[in-house]
Amino acid sequence: QVQLQESGPGLVKPSETLSLTCSVSGDSITSYFWSWIRQPPGKGLEWIGHMYYSGSTSYNPSLKSRVTTSINTSKNQVSLNLTSVTDADTAIYYCARVNMGYPNWFDPWGQGTLVTVSS
Amino acid sequence: QSVLTQPPSVSGAPGQRVTISCTGSSSNIGAGYGVHWYQHLPGTAPKYLIYVDTNRPSGVPDRFSGSKSGTSASLAITGLQAEDEADYYCQSYDNSLSAVVFGGGTKLTVL
Repeated sequence: QVQLQESGPGLVKPSETLSLTCSVSGDSITSYFWSWIRQPPGKGLEWIGHMYYSGSTSYNPSLKSRVTTSINTSKNQVSLNLTSVTDADTAIYYCARVNMGYPNWFDPWGQGTLVTVSS
Repeated sequence: QSVLTQPPSVSGAPGQRVTISCTGSSSNIGAGYGVHWYQHLPGTAPKYLIYVDTNRPSGVPDRFSGSKSGTSASLAITGLQAEDEADYYCQSYDNSLSAVVFGGGTKLTVL
């Protein structure tokens, strides 16, 4: 059974970089695309982007200029970096496996990690 | 403002049927992109219920069903149970935004 677990600092200062890691167990990171999705407090879900181990990526245009992702195949992990954060980036961040479809859907998901942007 | 519009809340008594709507536009649902539905209990991992409009993955009870017409989609839940109380989200793709899009979510309360 595939399991995903997000980890990273729960508090980030404004203007700094948010860095998160998603550890995948029960499946090879090279077999699928992987996605990051977030949910600000009291709001709906927002897709951040997805990536493949080959380096292929697709990002939400609204965040593209600030997002980078990477995959560590030896550790079976995917990572997210979001630069120049503001209060608006406070959210629960989820990683999820991408299932190819028209359009793609997400399953399974991690339980999420709350990141608060505050000085 | 979410690209896909859902009612903020719906409610029903145990055993009843409820529907949750997901309204989009010509650049997402109306363009022919499929709609997926997720169930989310806060503090847990979201779980997918319906994929590509009407398909139910194994393990999801047949009390859950999806439909789509024009620029809208719906999730129907029959025989409501207390365990169905959760937030529900629809998801599709928008070709004008070039992005995966979600609805704002609907909180289902079982009375």
